[in-house]
Amino acid sequence: KAGVTQTPRYLIKTRGQQVTLSCSPISGHRSVSWYQQTPGQGLQFLFEYFSETQRNKGNFPGRFSGRQFSNSRSEMNVSTLELGDSALYLCASSLIGKTYEQYFGPGTRLTVT
Amino acid sequence: QKEVEQDPGPLSVPEGAIVSLNCTYSNSAFQYFMWYRQYSRKGPELLMYTYSSGNKEDGRFTAQVDKSSKYISLFIRDSQPSDSATYLCAMTGLSGSRLTFGEGTQLTVNP
Repeated sequence: KAGVTQTPRYLIKTRGQQVTLSCSPISGHRSVSWYQQTPGQGLQFLFEYFSETQRNKGNFPGRFSGRQFSNSRSEMNVSTLELGDSALYLCASSLIGKTYEQYFGPGTRLTVT
Repeated sequence: QKEVEQDPGPLSVPEGAIVSLNCTYSNSAFQYFMWYRQYSRKGPELLMYTYSSGNKEDGRFTAQVDKSSKYISLFIRDSQPSDSATYLCAMTGLSGSRLTFGEGTQLTVNP
């Protein structure tokens, strides 16, 4: 079974721009969560989606948003990029009812200059 | 104070050694406890999870949870150079969706 895939793998953006990251979960997984990983803060929860609805949200500003499509694929968007948004953005998928058992993709490394 | 504390290391051991990795936590609502392994420039890989207190073994890996002490451990037996990675503990409550991670411990196993 194919794992979680994320595109693009690497991205360089300029301050003030916006960016959209994509995640395709493992087949059959309907819950998708997003995390931000930085050297200073470690892995931090952004939000979780299933059934195309945001079910849980972390402590991030409104510039961070996401959505999920009917095929469970998910996107996250960051608007008005800041230098501090440079990070590895990770997507994880899980089965409904086993959302503690999350499988991560390789991540998208975003660099903001 | 962070909800989950993990010694970042680095930890360096010789091949074949038993490795002990630990996390402490403060949130008594945590019920599921996970260990992930992350190689450089890769996403975290789920090694194992435990529900509530107790032990769980999978090959060379053993996870222990002591909820009374709010302390979890991962033991790696017969460590190999391929085990060199960052090990992250993660926890969540009964809803299971929002994982809270430790900082990660960087492990190097020397041949």
